Amino acid sequence: DAGVIQSPRHEVTEMGQEVTLRCKPISGHNSLFWYRQTMMRGLELLIYFNNNVPIDDSGMPEDRFSAKMPNASFSTLKIQPSEPRDSAVYFCASSQSLNSPLHFGNGTRLTVT
Amino acid sequence: GQQLNQSPQSMFIQEGEDVSMNCTSSSIFNTWLWYKQDPGEGPVLLIALYKAGELTSNGRLTAQFGITRKDSFLNISASIPSDVGIYFCAGQGAAGNKLTFGGGTRVLVKP
Repeated sequence: DAGVIQSPRHEVTEMGQEVTLRCKPISGHNSLFWYRQTMMRGLELLIYFNNNVPIDDSGMPEDRFSAKMPNASFSTLKIQPSEPRDSAVYFCASSQSLNSPLHFGNGTRLTVT
Repeated sequence: GQQLNQSPQSMFIQEGEDVSMNCTSSSIFNTWLWYKQDPGEGPVLLIALYKAGELTSNGRLTAQFGITRKDSFLNISASIPSDVGIYFCAGQGAAGNKLTFGGGTRVLVKP
């Protein structure tokens, strides 16, 4: 089992640029989650999907953030335009169902200068 | 919203010592999970608890789901250097799969 795969592992960009983070969930998992981790705020849930459908996006900080899940094996989190305060580690996680434990990827460390 | 208080925020361990951390909640949870995060990696699930009063072990790790359903603890027995990292509790309420995470306990080795 390859686990949850995220890319890129690191992203450095200038403010104003568009950033796209990618995630491949564990095969057979029906639920997918995007989290953001910072020292100040810890782990924050941004959005989650079930069977490719967004269920709750109330954690998405602003309209600059958007997420898609076009199929069961791929999801993206996009920030446009990016700002320095978006700098954080972004984690994708998947689970078999909405009531199953989450399995996390190794994250994308985003730095916006 | 639901809040999880995790303590201690950090602790130093000496090899061979037992370590204990806990989480308390202002709300009832149906599931308690404990994760460990190593530097540069994502959190890894250690133990999942599904019933009030449940006591579950995973090697040197033991966790309990509090009877009130508002707390949980994690014990590490006979700690070893690779136990260093950040440990997170997480609770899931009846409303669905919105996991609430504690602030983490950073376990460090005594110099």
